[in-house]
Amino acid sequence: GAVVSQHPSRVICKSGTSVKIECRSLDFQATTMFWYRQFPKQSLMLMATSNEGSKATYEQGVEKDKFLINHASLTLSTLTVTSAHPEDSSFYICSGHAGGVQETQYFGPGTRLLVL
Amino acid sequence: KNEVEQSPQNLTAQEGEFITINCSYSVGISALHWLQQHPGGGIVSLFMLSSGKKKHGRLIATINIQEKHSSLHITASHPRDSAVYICAVSKGREGSQGNLIFGKGTKLSVKP
Repeated sequence: GAVVSQHPSRVICKSGTSVKIECRSLDFQATTMFWYRQFPKQSLMLMATSNEGSKATYEQGVEKDKFLINHASLTLSTLTVTSAHPEDSSFYICSGHAGGVQETQYFGPGTRLLVL
Repeated sequence: KNEVEQSPQNLTAQEGEFITINCSYSVGISALHWLQQHPGGGIVSLFMLSSGKKKHGRLIATINIQEKHSSLHITASHPRDSAVYICAVSKGREGSQGNLIFGKGTKLSVKP
């Protein structure tokens, strides 16, 4: 299957700082990228959907000013957690979709964020 | 009630056993996905199906649209199959991939 990478794989930061997570599709062009969050022992929850070159669509309850998403190219999307708080500590996963009815989403390996 | 329900929540099996994980959903879907999440967190897409049955190696996925039910079967299970298996559905029109709703997952542990 297609490959999606995320960087960093884990990050520890101080409360109040900003953290940027990169998501790259390595061998396909992802017209759409999705960002998910997963708290311990919980399901993945969709945070936002981003299409290349346009503004992201955020799910209800997700603050767009806190979780900045940029999808600058067909192979790169970034999620920036601004002014991070301990409650933002979670596992963040991105996925890419190449478009087309029969295409599945390809998931990145995830980024574990710990805010102290 | 969750829109996607999986059972069982936890499953322990002996190596070689045939395993079935079930998923029921209560919404209209365009596709159903089975995903595998390993302890490190990374997720692999196993199947995407909207009807019938798919097979890949020792894995078989079936879906019954009328009953809103899907099963994931693992034949000749192996310790390396130990992972969390997640059922997710795409809501809305066909091709509308964005709105995946996830089940809580089934944690499978296969003992040697």
